[in-house]
Amino acid sequence: DSGVTQTPKHLITATGQRVTLRCSPRSGDLSVYWYQQSLDQGLQFLIQYYNGEERAKGNILERFSAQQFPDLHSELNLSSLELGDSALYFCASSPGDRAHEQFFGPGTRLTVL
Amino acid sequence: GEDVEQSLFLSVREGDSSVINCTYTDSSSTYLYWYKQEPGAGLQLLTYIFSNMDMKQDQRLTVLLNKKDKHLSLRIADTQTGDSAIYFCAEDYSSASKIIFGSGTRLSIRP
Repeated sequence: DSGVTQTPKHLITATGQRVTLRCSPRSGDLSVYWYQQSLDQGLQFLIQYYNGEERAKGNILERFSAQQFPDLHSELNLSSLELGDSALYFCASSPGDRAHEQFFGPGTRLTVL
Repeated sequence: GEDVEQSLFLSVREGDSSVINCTYTDSSSTYLYWYKQEPGAGLQLLTYIFSNMDMKQDQRLTVLLNKKDKHLSLRIADTQTGDSAIYFCAEDYSSASKIIFGSGTRLSIRP
C-alpha cells in the first residue's frame, strides 16, 4: 500500500458526460501528479500540483482540468467525454516538487461508452 | 522534439541479467527515471538517476547514463520471475516542466 488513495476504482459513463476523479496523497506529501494510461497513447503525464499551485503541465486536454485543495487532495475533472478518454488514470504524490520520491495510487479505470 | 524510445520486448532466462535500454532527446533533463508496472497493477517508481551521475546502483539494479549519447539503461542482475513487468523509462523534460515516458519494455522471464 503506497498510501496514495484514488476513488473511484472503476467508472463507466457515456460520451458527452463529465466525471471527477479524486486523489488523496500520502500524509505530508505536497505534490500530486496525474497520469493517463491508454492503449493508444501509452503512459502520459497530465499535470502536477505542488502545495495547491499548478507546477507542471503535460499533455492535458482543454476538456480536462485539475485542482489541488487546501487539504492537499486533488481532483481531476474530465468533461465532454469521448470514447478515446477511456483509460487508466493514475495519481501519484511526492514530498517535494520533483518526481524522484514518487508513490502511485492504484488508479481509476474510466470506461466511456 | 520530445521523444523517449525503448524497445518493446525483452526475454531473458531466469538468473541471467536483463538490460533494458532507452534513448531520450532533452539534453537538459535533470532526472531520468525507471518505472515498473506489474501485470494488472499500478505503477511503481523503481529508481532514478540525477543527470550529473554516470551510474547508480541499488541492490540488483544498476542504472547507467551516457549523456553524450542520451542513452539510459537499467540492468537487473539475477533476474527473477517476479521481475516480469513492463518497464518505463522517463525523462524530466525540464525546459517544459513535464515528464515524458517511453512506450515501455515488456520483460518476460524464461525458466
